Amino acid sequence: AQKVTQAQTEISVVEKEDVTLDCVYETRDTTYYLFWYKQPPSGELVFLIRRNSFDEQNEISGRYSWNFQKSTSSFNFTITASQVVDSAVYFCALSEAFNFGNEKLTFGTGTRLTIIP
Amino acid sequence: EPEVTQTPSHQVTQMGQEVILRCVPISNHLYFYWYRQILGQKVEFLVSFYNNEISEKSEIFDDQFSVERPDGSNFTLKIRSTKLEDSAMYFCASSDRAGQPQHFGDGTRLSIL
Repeated sequence: AQKVTQAQTEISVVEKEDVTLDCVYETRDTTYYLFWYKQPPSGELVFLIRRNSFDEQNEISGRYSWNFQKSTSSFNFTITASQVVDSAVYFCALSEAFNFGNEKLTFGTGTRLTIIP
Repeated sequence: EPEVTQTPSHQVTQMGQEVILRCVPISNHLYFYWYRQILGQKVEFLVSFYNNEISEKSEIFDDQFSVERPDGSNFTLKIRSTKLEDSAMYFCASSDRAGQPQHFGDGTRLSIL
């Protein structure tokens, strides 16, 4: 069975600070995908990044960066120089790879990030 | 940019009534999903649908639930006899091929009275 743990329920930081959201996962699959989604107060789910299990390169996109460490089953997300618009709930998710027709997402419980102006 | 469209945005229904939630996935997508999110909780998988049939369903997706792709564009979720605990946000998602990220609609908030 797959499981995603986001131990941080809520985080508050002052604007312009850096913040890291933790994600730890469990799976028996040898190939899988990891995702981060953002859910702003308006409620929609916005895709941020996908990482496959055989690519451990870290990724940076503007102020966002992701650190994937297979050895510790972690896929952490860092926001640099946070802004008020980053305030949202962030979900980490996992899916089995190459399961054609069914790559259902298993979500973590989310981390509510509040950026204080 | 193409997007997944869900209607209605908010549905209020009496307990025991049937409800149909509608989704229009992105036009060239082949894989379709429904998820739900009870208020303040995590997003949970309900069902996946590919090649005109259910690929997998969760234990939440009991006999009261059904999905259908009645034409080339719509993807619907029906709850036959709603219960209070069905109150949640329901998200439709689609992807164009295996391994690609799922794109979510804005959700339908279902309130059962």
